[in-house]
Amino acid sequence: GAGVSQTPSNKVTEKGKYVELRCDPISGHTALYWYRQSLGQGPEFLIYFQGTGAADDSGLPNDRFFAVRPEGSVSTLKIQRTERGDSAVYLCASSSRGGGGTGELFFGEGSRLTVL
Amino acid sequence: DQQVKQNSPSLSVQEGRISILNCDYTNSMFDYFLWYKKYPAEGPTFLISISSIKDKNEDGRFTVFLNKSAKHLSLHIVPSQPGDSAVYFCAASALGTYKYIFGTGTRLKVLA
Repeated sequence: GAGVSQTPSNKVTEKGKYVELRCDPISGHTALYWYRQSLGQGPEFLIYFQGTGAADDSGLPNDRFFAVRPEGSVSTLKIQRTERGDSAVYLCASSSRGGGGTGELFFGEGSRLTVL
Repeated sequence: DQQVKQNSPSLSVQEGRISILNCDYTNSMFDYFLWYKKYPAEGPTFLISISSIKDKNEDGRFTVFLNKSAKHLSLHIVPSQPGDSAVYFCAASALGTYKYIFGTGTRLKVLA
């Protein structure tokens, strides 16, 4: 596609449920990022992929969060046993280059997660 | 530990005047900085960037200034237009890394 595509755009779930959020990056982009944005805050780094491997998952808040990118393209962010504090907009971004100072990130429109 | 700070949560400017958005950082290893604009219900879109080897970068109505000694950068928009009304984020990364750290954003309102 022309841009980064994220699905679903909105997800409402109940506390304790499992959620998957999908990101389809710009074709050919090797770097893929997940960020989380809470109300009134800036995007908060979660995880970065270069190709298929998670190069840095230091931003994942705890072991309930996990992300995969098995073929180096589409990525799925998985959240187990959701909590109300997980409610946020989850942003995916891709880049043609992964190093700092070498290219901007292209963001999708985000997946808004609401945990009741 | 907020490494990138935008201390002004909001700013109102008259159409045609200059908008100045500020950003401070604490990590001296940061050497690449970007500005993003975000409209409601959309993802952030890239505006302009600057490397630490420069102190100014200009693109049309947008100019970013970097003061490394003060660990401060600013985005100037001139002339401001109503369509510039959005939330603006600055972001920073360090050479050899891949992690972009974002500020909390400044909401700009350009009054017609």
